[in-house]
Amino acid sequence: DSGVTQTPKHLITATGQRVTLRCSPRSGDLSVYWYQQSLDQGLQFLIQYYNGEERAKGNILERFSAQQFPDLHSELNLSSLELGDSALYFCASSVAGAVNTEAFFGQGTRLTVV
Amino acid sequence: QQQVKQSPQSLIVQKGGISIINCAYENTAFDYFPWYQQFPGKGPALLIAIRPDVSEKKEGRFTISFNKSAKQFSLHIMDSQPGDSATYFCAAKNNYKLTFGKGTLLTVNP
Repeated sequence: DSGVTQTPKHLITATGQRVTLRCSPRSGDLSVYWYQQSLDQGLQFLIQYYNGEERAKGNILERFSAQQFPDLHSELNLSSLELGDSALYFCASSVAGAVNTEAFFGQGTRLTVV
Repeated sequence: QQQVKQSPQSLIVQKGGISIINCAYENTAFDYFPWYQQFPGKGPALLIAIRPDVSEKKEGRFTISFNKSAKQFSLHIMDSQPGDSATYFCAAKNNYKLTFGKGTLLTVNP
């Protein structure tokens, strides 16, 4: 168990809908990262937050947004969902955002858009 | 643009054999190179990592070899065991962002 908690584990929703994925980082970790994993694209970095502030942005669509709250948990909001958004979404956390800081991954949320 | 290229896509090894997975990168700004192991239904877990000022790092049966001039690094799993069967990802870090290779599905036959 990595100590990173993601909810829900599975989510099935229809196209056009909006969903929220939740992540609780390990105790003491200030950084949260979101990744999307699909068969064709592999693990893609979406966005990183550090202590409530956005620090780095990757291949995140405009339909997606995220935030990190004062208690350090994070939410990833996906809207106007399309079939192609079906994927595993991982959250990871680390003590800080510095190089050499190990990132611990949660078990992921499997999103299926039908 | 894929910045970290990983090969092979899949690998079958007999128990006790050596598993070798290779990665190549383009961006010389990368400064941290971890390997992750992922079992079905689980998130990736850090296996071993190396910085570019080191040419080799060994932890138990796992060794990373790093060639800075060639911009290549590889994972060697000695005495491979069926329990090592998983997907392995190389990654490279720059500015807080981890870029992953596409993964290698390793199967170790008993």
